[in-house]
Amino acid sequence: NAGVTQTPKFRVLKTGQSMTLLCAQDMNHEYMYWYRQDPGMGLRLIHYSVGEGTTAKGEVPDGYNVSRLKKQNFLLGLESAAPSQTSVYFCASLLRNDYSNTGELFFGEGSRLTVL
Amino acid sequence: RKEVEQDPGPFNVPEGATVAFNCTYSNSASQSFFWYRQDCRKEPKLLMSVYSSGNEDGRFTAQLNRASQYISLLIRDSKLSDSATYLCVVISISSGSARQLTFGSGTQLTVLP
Repeated sequence: NAGVTQTPKFRVLKTGQSMTLLCAQDMNHEYMYWYRQDPGMGLRLIHYSVGEGTTAKGEVPDGYNVSRLKKQNFLLGLESAAPSQTSVYFCASLLRNDYSNTGELFFGEGSRLTVL
Repeated sequence: RKEVEQDPGPFNVPEGATVAFNCTYSNSASQSFFWYRQDCRKEPKLLMSVYSSGNEDGRFTAQLNRASQYISLLIRDSKLSDSATYLCVVISISSGSARQLTFGSGTQLTVLP
């Protein structure tokens, strides 16, 4: 049971290049999230998905696109990378999507992206 | 105003000390509350849920005050291994019934020998 796996873990891009981050979970979770974390800013939600084929914008969606073609995968794309997108990106999946008090997010190990 | 606010610290405390963190939230309809722990350059991991009645897990105690809209985390008898950043997380229901998780920016704790 791998949990949540992110690839790649490190990447250096030049301004204007494109790339895709892959998040894969094997826990059959409905909800998946992409966050970015910057010093002093905490985790900020980029996009999220409440199920296969659905996506929604979070707090900081500009410059990113996502897709959830399969339940287990949530892809984050940068079409034209900018230095402001230098960050650590975390993917997470949620155990439940009901209204119970259980809300443990399972995170990937993070992807460190540098845009020059 | 941020939806979820935490004192960033850093809190530097000696081993054995008791330390408390607070986290305030602005959405009165928020439903669920959690504390996560994040070690340097690692992913956040769930520390404990926060219930209205308060809950305790060993040296850790979490409290929720809905009237004042804050949650707290108390760590007793601090250990060196408690050094980390502590993130509060608030879950609310957004439009379309989606569960929205909002993180505080984190409070950094360093326990000194």
